[in-house]
Amino acid sequence: ILNVEQSPQSLHVQEGDSTNFTCSFPSSNFYALHWYRWETAKSPEALFVMTLNGDEKKKGRISATLNTKEGYSYLYIKGSQPEDSATYLCAVFNNAGNMLTFGGGTRLMVKP
Amino acid sequence: DAGITQSPRHKVTETGTPVTLRCHQTENHRYMYWYRQDPGHGLRLIHYSYGVKDTDKGEVSDGYSVSRSKTEDFLLTLESATSSQTSVYFCAISELGGNGELFFGEGSRLTVL
Repeated sequence: ILNVEQSPQSLHVQEGDSTNFTCSFPSSNFYALHWYRWETAKSPEALFVMTLNGDEKKKGRISATLNTKEGYSYLYIKGSQPEDSATYLCAVFNNAGNMLTFGGGTRLMVKP
Repeated sequence: DAGITQSPRHKVTETGTPVTLRCHQTENHRYMYWYRQDPGHGLRLIHYSYGVKDTDKGEVSDGYSVSRSKTEDFLLTLESATSSQTSVYFCAISELGGNGELFFGEGSRLTVL
């Protein structure tokens, strides 16, 4: 079982603030990293899937980077809005376990 | 939205009874997954399938079994429900497996009394 860790567990920011959070994972046998956005009472929705070291992906105000050699990924949100309030999950797939393993999530709350 | 539905969406049952949750997809995706939501753990994989009749265990498979007799349906069975299996269960599908995004169903809330 992979150990996928996310930090912080929760985060409160003001509207307009930019923020970032971290996903850490074992770098051995890495295959892919996923980021999901999970709003309360809804289902998780995919933001990004990244596979290559140095990958950077962007969707609107949200972007992500990947470092497979040191085993971490950052998710950035520029100019947070109340509608960004959600739990952000990362998940890692590696060749050894053939499973997608999720971290515990970072819960983001954006105050108007 | 991906065509994926879960049933039932809500169920209350008693300890020791069997329970089956159904996941149905209309996307013809090869991979199907059952996760459970646990506070502090995000989503934990119970079982997954990589084709018809091809299934494997996830990280929390004890007390659960699955079957996939056709591409569109993936069934999760709790053979004898326990209170520790009270959770929200999510089914997910993927066309590419680990390097393709997962599409999730709306979840099934199970309460075991």
